[in-house]
Amino acid sequence: GAGVSQTPSNKVTEKGKYVELRCDPISGHTALYWYRQSLGQGPEFLIYFQGTGAADDSGLPNDRFFAVRPEGSVSTLKIQRTERGDSAVYLCASSGEADTQYFGPGTRLTVL
Amino acid sequence: GNSVTQMEGPVTLSEEAFLTINCTYTATGYPSLFWYVQYPGEGLQLLLKATKADDKGSNKGFEATYRKETTSFHLEKGSVQVSDSAVYFCALYTGGFKTIFGAGTRLFVKA
Repeated sequence: GAGVSQTPSNKVTEKGKYVELRCDPISGHTALYWYRQSLGQGPEFLIYFQGTGAADDSGLPNDRFFAVRPEGSVSTLKIQRTERGDSAVYLCASSGEADTQYFGPGTRLTVL
Repeated sequence: GNSVTQMEGPVTLSEEAFLTINCTYTATGYPSLFWYVQYPGEGLQLLLKATKADDKGSNKGFEATYRKETTSFHLEKGSVQVSDSAVYFCALYTGGFKTIFGAGTRLFVKA
């Protein structure tokens, strides 16, 4: 079946702009995660949704970052007033089991 | 806190060589342990996992054994191929729906 998809695959923006990154999880998966992966590092947890609600947003670095999942399926990660340090690959994963996550290909964000 | 430490790369091997990538962890409770692989230009894929002490995860010729006494989950393969060139991530899950990843180890396999 279809895996996790993310759009866009690449996003280039200017410092101070607003961006939205989209994730379509595997159908039927209630759990959805966002991670950020900087060059040469492993994925870093940002936020976890169970259904429509954010069950754990402890990884969001500051209040410029926000994520929603209004209907319990597609999720959007929103970044306001982007900074050069936000440049990274943003990964989405979904899960139907408690401990195994399936990752999308990621969105590479470049802030100029 | 919970953490994962894996050997720094890159690791460069010739085809058919034996591979070991070391991974140790610090965790409270009894975590599940994972190896994920990221091939060039692709997303992270689950390679194998083990959910309790002494379990061995295996897939595509790769193996890793959950060693609670040494808090380790080393990845091994007896004979690597060029197609195994990728970045390998060790990870742990302790519940609370958060997976902790190591920094990754890049493997290059030469023909």
